[in-house]
Amino acid sequence: KAGVTQTPRYLIKTRGQQVTLSCSPISGHRSVSWYQQTPGQGLQFLFEYFSETQRNKGNFPGRFSGRQFSNSRSEMNVSTLELGDSALYLCASSERTRADTQYFGPGTRLTVL
Amino acid sequence: GENVEQHPSTLSVQEGDSAVIKCTYSDSASNYFPWYKQELGKRPQLIIDIRSNVGEKKDQRIAVTLNKTAKHFSLHITETQPEDSAVYFCAASIWEYGNKLVFGAGTILRVKS
Repeated sequence: KAGVTQTPRYLIKTRGQQVTLSCSPISGHRSVSWYQQTPGQGLQFLFEYFSETQRNKGNFPGRFSGRQFSNSRSEMNVSTLELGDSALYLCASSERTRADTQYFGPGTRLTVL
Repeated sequence: GENVEQHPSTLSVQEGDSAVIKCTYSDSASNYFPWYKQELGKRPQLIIDIRSNVGEKKDQRIAVTLNKTAKHFSLHITETQPEDSAVYFCAASIWEYGNKLVFGAGTILRVKS
């Protein structure tokens, strides 16, 4: 099976803009979780989607949002970008929800100038 | 909320020696504990995981032990090789919270040849 894919791999934006990142899970996986990775804060959970419904949400402002489509592909959106949003955004897929094994994608490196 | 502490932050070992990384979690409801290896510029890769109904799990040179009473779990790598050099992350998850992973801060492992 093909692994988790993310597009784009690199993105440069300016403050105030918005951005949409995409994640395609492993075939058959219905859960997609998003994480933000920064040198200062490490890996932090953003949210999880399962069968098109948000299952859980981390402690991030409302500028961070996401959705999942019927084919399990997921997108996350960040509006009104701030310098501190510069990070590696990783998605992970799993077959089920409830503490299931997760497989990560390669990430999208977002730089906000 | 759940908190995971990981020690040490850096670890240098000689090739062939063993390496041990320890993590402590705060929420006794945690029941799934994966370990991820992340090489520079790459995605986190699952190397081993353990569930709360198991005390120890081994996969070739890698083993994980779990002490639920003390709320800590450890990664053991034997006969280390230069290709084991990477950042290792522990994580904890609570079944009721879906696939949300709370990560430790990471351990930089350097294997000197």
